[in-house]
Amino acid sequence: DQQVKQNSPSLSVQEGRISILNCDYTNSMFDYFLWYKKYPAEGPTFLISISSIKDKNEDGRFTVFLNKSAKHLSLHIVPSQPGDSAVYFCAASRGSGTYKYIFGTGTRLKVLA
Amino acid sequence: DSGVTQTPKHLITATGQRVTLRCSPRSGDLSVYWYQQSLDQGLQFLIQYYNGEERAKGNILERFSAQQFPDLHSELNLSSLELGDSALYFCASSYGTGFTASTDTQYFGPGTRLTVL
Repeated sequence: DQQVKQNSPSLSVQEGRISILNCDYTNSMFDYFLWYKKYPAEGPTFLISISSIKDKNEDGRFTVFLNKSAKHLSLHIVPSQPGDSAVYFCAASRGSGTYKYIFGTGTRLKVLA
Repeated sequence: DSGVTQTPKHLITATGQRVTLRCSPRSGDLSVYWYQQSLDQGLQFLIQYYNGEERAKGNILERFSAQQFPDLHSELNLSSLELGDSALYFCASSYGTGFTASTDTQYFGPGTRLTVL
């Protein structure tokens, strides 16, 4: 049972444009969400997170939006840069009383110069 | 560089064998988490240790075991290996117990790629 889904395995975007990566979850107990970025031969790197008490969190070029009623979150990267080309994983957790992240299968983003 | 180190980077072995993967957490972190990533899959949580004690178990097979030593490094032991155990194995660390996700972000090492032939 895939509780966290990233339905787009890959995405290509032109440099300077917006990249939008999507993530859906099924477990209504999740109330904390994270995005990790992974380059080849490296481990996932923490990017940005959001708690369910918010619907938006911004950090520089990266913004995460959360729609609790739709059980959907998205990561916006503006403007996209070639160095953003990586695999992006969405992860979900219960905000407290837990220890593990549930990861999606990832979306490979390619930013074209 | 997350500060989490894992050795070896690559491991090739045969079915039925036993291997040990090693992880050193970031300085000051007390929790170590192990995850498995099979081909085209997300990361699957295996097990967590906090300050030497097992804290939580996920989808870890009985053929797999782990421990955390007094210096806080951790080892994941995989035995009676099968072809399906071929995967990337990631270690992550955090300062606290992981009880409160918003204040206890997990930081990942570069992983060990295990190939079972």
